[in-house]
Amino acid sequence: DAGITQSPRHKVTETGTPVTLRCHQTENHRYMYWYRQDPGHGLRLIHYSYGVKDTDKGEVSDGYSVSRSKTEDFLLTLESATSSQTSVYFCAVKVAGGDEQFFGPGTRLTVL
Amino acid sequence: AQSVTQPDIHITVSEGASLELRCNYSYGATPYLFWYVQSPGQGLQLLLKYFSGDTLVQGIKGFEAEFKRSQSSFNLRKPSVHWSDAAEYFCAVGAIAAGNKLTFGGGTRVLVKP
Repeated sequence: DAGITQSPRHKVTETGTPVTLRCHQTENHRYMYWYRQDPGHGLRLIHYSYGVKDTDKGEVSDGYSVSRSKTEDFLLTLESATSSQTSVYFCAVKVAGGDEQFFGPGTRLTVL
Repeated sequence: AQSVTQPDIHITVSEGASLELRCNYSYGATPYLFWYVQSPGQGLQLLLKYFSGDTLVQGIKGFEAEFKRSQSSFNLRKPSVHWSDAAEYFCAVGAIAAGNKLTFGGGTRVLVKP
């Protein structure tokens, strides 16, 4: 599992509230990614990081921000959650020397 | 921009029968291609990958995939399906020169009949 944990695993929140999801890895991977999974869309990249304080946008970044202040943690923040952000969120890492990504267990977020 | 299409949303197959899942991609350079599997309520597990070389690649759990550049396809196959293969399968193309970003297809859900 490439040493990835995500927290919380489940969260229910209300529209307009801020939400932060955490991805934690223990194997010093440089690259980390946040995806969201919705039926019929597969997984879509939200943001990714290629090092501490180095981040870039993916294809569905509107309404999301990220931070990476240390190698092991990559945080995804919804500043003001909306119902359209109800989804399952996956964190992934790319291991050094390879090009494939390994995924965490996911966080199911429901915005009421 | 890169894209991936999985034409079949659902496939039902009998246990012991063969399985083929279709994947078509669009990418401007030599693609890096992946197949992942997701069991219900679980994360994604890498089945196999193609970067270069032999166009028939072997993966875990008895799966294989064939890269066909002329058809822009990377179809996944298994000769004999087991009940435990019931899951959702995702094809993805990687933009290795741009942060290793992956673009996924919409997925194919496989149901296995006894």
